[in-house]
Amino acid sequence: ETGVTQTPRHLVMGMTNKKSLKCEQHLGHNAMYWYKQSAKKPLELMFVYSLEERVENNSVPSRFSPECPNSSHLFLHLHTLQPEDSALYLCASSQDRARTYQETQYFGPGTRLLVL
Amino acid sequence: AQKITQTQPGMFVQEKEAVTLDCTYDTSDPSYGLFWYKQPSSGEMIFLIYQGSYDQQNATEGRYSLNFQKARKSANLVISASQLGDSAMYFCAMRESLAGNMLTFGGGTRLMVKP
Repeated sequence: ETGVTQTPRHLVMGMTNKKSLKCEQHLGHNAMYWYKQSAKKPLELMFVYSLEERVENNSVPSRFSPECPNSSHLFLHLHTLQPEDSALYLCASSQDRARTYQETQYFGPGTRLLVL
Repeated sequence: AQKITQTQPGMFVQEKEAVTLDCTYDTSDPSYGLFWYKQPSSGEMIFLIYQGSYDQQNATEGRYSLNFQKARKSANLVISASQLGDSAMYFCAMRESLAGNMLTFGGGTRLMVKP
């Protein structure tokens, strides 16, 4: 496997279900991100982990719960979601050093989530 | 105010011709990076090209080049010799040194290449 992988690629869930999205990066990076992409809206940053510590949480509802067990893996645990949470969820990683503004984020293929 | 503005929601280009996708940005940070990504219908966000705020020359990567006009705060993407596979959404994004890990995206431009 190379780059950033995400599973599952597609997910349909009811509002009472609990599911998890998985992301794995094979690039040796030290920072990982979750983004949400809804129809007709710009990409929204949800969570950032740097060196396995959460450093950003952009006012995301508690029904989304991230987990970063090590620098290569990132999870997004979902529970009691709403239909408006249906979106493409993208994971990314980067090698953040002193000048982070120069570091490219590399994205996975995304998970298309539909909440019924 | 929006940080990244892409004013062209959709663009058509004839195959083999060049096309310019516009991007303007707003920042008071002297240190920043500008990125372009391509998103095909499959959903993956593919990194194309990077331009740093202190770079003296415009970035180039194969058929992609960046027309960086710092004083005008614009970073337009130029795709030369368009191919059918270039049909996709294109996003301009910015990372500012003072914003840490934030990568701010524009609304995107949908490019359609005509055979």
